[in-house]
Amino acid sequence: DAKTTQPTSMDCAEGRAANLPCNHSTISGNEYVYWYRQIHSQGPQYIIHGLKNNETNEMASLIITEDRKSSTLILPHATLRDTAVYYCIVRVANSNSGYALNFGKGTSLLVTP
Amino acid sequence: EPEVTQTPSHQVTQMGQEVILRCVPISNHLYFYWYRQILGQKVEFLVSFYNNEISEKSEIFDDQFSVERPDGSNFTLKIRSTKLEDSAMYFCASSRQGIYGYTFGSGTRLTVV
Repeated sequence: DAKTTQPTSMDCAEGRAANLPCNHSTISGNEYVYWYRQIHSQGPQYIIHGLKNNETNEMASLIITEDRKSSTLILPHATLRDTAVYYCIVRVANSNSGYALNFGKGTSLLVTP
Repeated sequence: EPEVTQTPSHQVTQMGQEVILRCVPISNHLYFYWYRQILGQKVEFLVSFYNNEISEKSEIFDDQFSVERPDGSNFTLKIRSTKLEDSAMYFCASSRQGIYGYTFGSGTRLTVV
């Protein structure tokens, strides 16, 4: 699996957009980018994933650069409940097999009032 | 929204005892997983399970661990002879297909004394 690099921590003011970067310069053509988060002591929560196109769902947007070497998770209007550790994970995935997720250290996002 | 249910939420056991952690995955999901998180450390993959057999396992998942889907709805993790270092939060997860994100349960905190 490609290695990812994320900042250790970030702050964001409530109501503003939180932009969380991730570098994955060794990503290969069949590897997806996944984002999960873990709110203190809870189970990880899936946010979004993408292969090469930008993606958006009700939680967030995922912007992947054209060369796929980095991506940004955007929480458009951060709330206090978005305070969590955010994990960027790169992994091969296909319809016919499960996959192990390698949770690194992630980015600890603190949303402040 | 469908949930992955884990029981019990907290289990205390004596060293050397067998424990079984139980999970009810989402009903139409086909892939099942166990992860663990030692306090203050990262989430670690243990095992994935598909079509009634293990599809992938980590080095942590040694002969002391086993998984089973006994009745088509429950998914269990058994630790045969617990050690102090098995104390951790254990998370069950499931997914519909390999590409999609996982849904994690809220975890079982295992304390070995």
